[in-house]
Amino acid sequence: AQTVTQSQPEMSVQEAETVTLSCTYDTSESDYYLFWYKQPPSRQMILVIRQEAYKQQNATENRFSVNFQKAAKSFSLKISDSQLGDAAMYFCAAFNAGGTSYGKLTFGQGTILTVHP
Amino acid sequence: KAGVTQTPRYLIKTRGQQVTLSCSPISGHRSVSWYQQTPGQGLQFLFEYFSETQRNKGNFPGRFSGRQFSNSRSEMNVSTLELGDSALYLCASSLAGSGANVLTFGAGSRLTVL
Repeated sequence: AQTVTQSQPEMSVQEAETVTLSCTYDTSESDYYLFWYKQPPSRQMILVIRQEAYKQQNATENRFSVNFQKAAKSFSLKISDSQLGDAAMYFCAAFNAGGTSYGKLTFGQGTILTVHP
Repeated sequence: KAGVTQTPRYLIKTRGQQVTLSCSPISGHRSVSWYQQTPGQGLQFLFEYFSETQRNKGNFPGRFSGRQFSNSRSEMNVSTLELGDSALYLCASSLAGSGANVLTFGAGSRLTVL
């Protein structure tokens, strides 16, 4: 079984500042992928960033970066220079690449991010 | 390139009725998966289809079913609706349904059961 835990139900940040969202996961698989998705009030789920477990280098996408600690099974998201448009619910998700896990993402409970002007 | 299209966006049903939701994937995407999102349970995997075959299924009762057509469009059906079925139903498509292929989500179908 695979579990994903987001321990921060809500976070807030001032515009232009940096914020880090936490995520831990548990899996028995050696080959897996980790994702951060963003869900704004429109409810459209948008991919923010992806990390392959076999890669040691942390993924980066513009202002978004992750801190992937494989041994600790930790996968945090850092948002730099926060913008008002970053306000949303953020979901951490995991995917086992092996076996029969086709299409099955396991999501955390989500973190609501508020950005203050 | 058009995104994932889900219809209808909103619908209201009463207990005992059935509902069919539709999902048109991104052109070229052959895998379609479905998720249920509720405030209490969060996001839960329903099932995944590839080339008209169900490859994976989540832990939901048999009232929840789906299918995929030859053009990759997918439908999900919920029969004998219960109040607890009220949720946002999200469809996602990908090239082949593996982790290497990112899931792109639709805007969802909001189902309210009265």
